[in-house]
Amino acid sequence: SQQGEEDPQALSIQEGENATMNCSYKTSINNLQWYRQNSGRGLVHLILIRSNEREKHSGRLRVTLDTSKKSSSLLITASRAADTASYFCATDVGDMRFGAGTRLTVKP
Amino acid sequence: GAVVSQHPSWVICKSGTSVKIECRSLDFQATTMFWYRQFPKQSLMLMATSNEGSKATYEQGVEKDKFLINHASLTLSTLTVTSAHPEDSSFYICSAGGAQPQHFGDGTRLSIL
Repeated sequence: SQQGEEDPQALSIQEGENATMNCSYKTSINNLQWYRQNSGRGLVHLILIRSNEREKHSGRLRVTLDTSKKSSSLLITASRAADTASYFCATDVGDMRFGAGTRLTVKP
Repeated sequence: GAVVSQHPSWVICKSGTSVKIECRSLDFQATTMFWYRQFPKQSLMLMATSNEGSKATYEQGVEKDKFLINHASLTLSTLTVTSAHPEDSSFYICSAGGAQPQHFGDGTRLSIL
């Protein structure tokens, strides 16, 4: 069964704009991870945030975690056309459970 | 960094054929690997957990006799789709990693005619 639920399901923006994706989950977690998937490819790990962390940065990525609301957000700043992909959050409940993903399209 | 190799990347075969997909951890040992299935524009659904030296653990609704998993070594897990039918056509992805984060293979696109 799925654990995370991302929204929006699809997001289309212009290059240079920021993209924000949200993820909600159902049970307690040890950590939450964000992954990226280009069409027809495997997943690439982007960032992991532990349950005792509230915010984490990696390059143009910023992830927040609110365990009281069981939610996380992924912000991609100054987006590029190459950021076009699907983005998934996943939690570590024993094994990894993925949300439905957000399909991001960045128009040049 | 750690790499997981999945092979083949694309398979097209006739209905009734059995198809084997390999998942290898290239520079680390993986006692546990995971197999996922993904339909177009949908999320990854965990099918089973592959355990080295023991039986795989299947998710509810996944037929263990249909999707045979063998994890005979610390670097290799195989998924065999037995007597595949068109409804088995999907994108299959494996992952491995002793601790988070998991490392994913590039996936296998299976098309059954």
